[in-house]
Amino acid sequence: AQSVTQLGSHVSVSEGALVLLRCNYSSSVPPYLFWYVQYPNQGLQLLLKYTTGATLVKGINGFEAEFKKSETSFHLTKPSAHMSDAAEYFCAVSLNQAGTALIFGKGTTLSVSS
Amino acid sequence: GAVVSQHPSWVICKSGTSVKIECRSLDFQATTMFWYRQFPKQSLMLMATSNEGSKATYEQGVEKDKFLINHASLTLSTLTVTSAHPEDSSFYICSAPKRDREGTGELFFGEGSRLTVL
Repeated sequence: AQSVTQLGSHVSVSEGALVLLRCNYSSSVPPYLFWYVQYPNQGLQLLLKYTTGATLVKGINGFEAEFKKSETSFHLTKPSAHMSDAAEYFCAVSLNQAGTALIFGKGTTLSVSS
Repeated sequence: GAVVSQHPSWVICKSGTSVKIECRSLDFQATTMFWYRQFPKQSLMLMATSNEGSKATYEQGVEKDKFLINHASLTLSTLTVTSAHPEDSSFYICSAPKRDREGTGELFFGEGSRLTVL
């Protein structure tokens, strides 16, 4: 069975500081992993995804994540936070090889202060 | 990019009434769509998988008669909350997968529909 654990329901950083959002997964098959961002009262937007190949994945808005099989992790990072990065972030693992039907973590709220 | 649209984005109804939420894939066809429910400050919970031309597949614990799903065409799936009660108040989000160049699918999400049952 697949599952996702996001450590820390709330992360606060200062503008310009490093952003690190943690995600660990459990999967009985090679995982497809995703990070999504959600702004209030909106749907989800894909930040980046890992399917196969390079383990360091670059996404939109300067975010990147590294797939570490040995640690079953897929942490999301951004070198320098912007105020506009404040949102809810969800890590997800796919239930199938097609990369659809996702299981989501509980989410991490990112706050950015000036 | 691919767009998935939901309607309505906000709906308020009286207890006991039924509410229909539409999910449309605007620039691609989707034989499958997914319906999620999100409670405030919580994650998305998969409710059901909508299959074009056949019955929906519901996740464990989701009442089929309560949440009616119809996938009548390759671009439209509907979720009807029947005899709604206040505990059905939630944010409902649909998604549709589109195959990308790698052959895997990327999920595109609708904007969500907030249901408030009085």
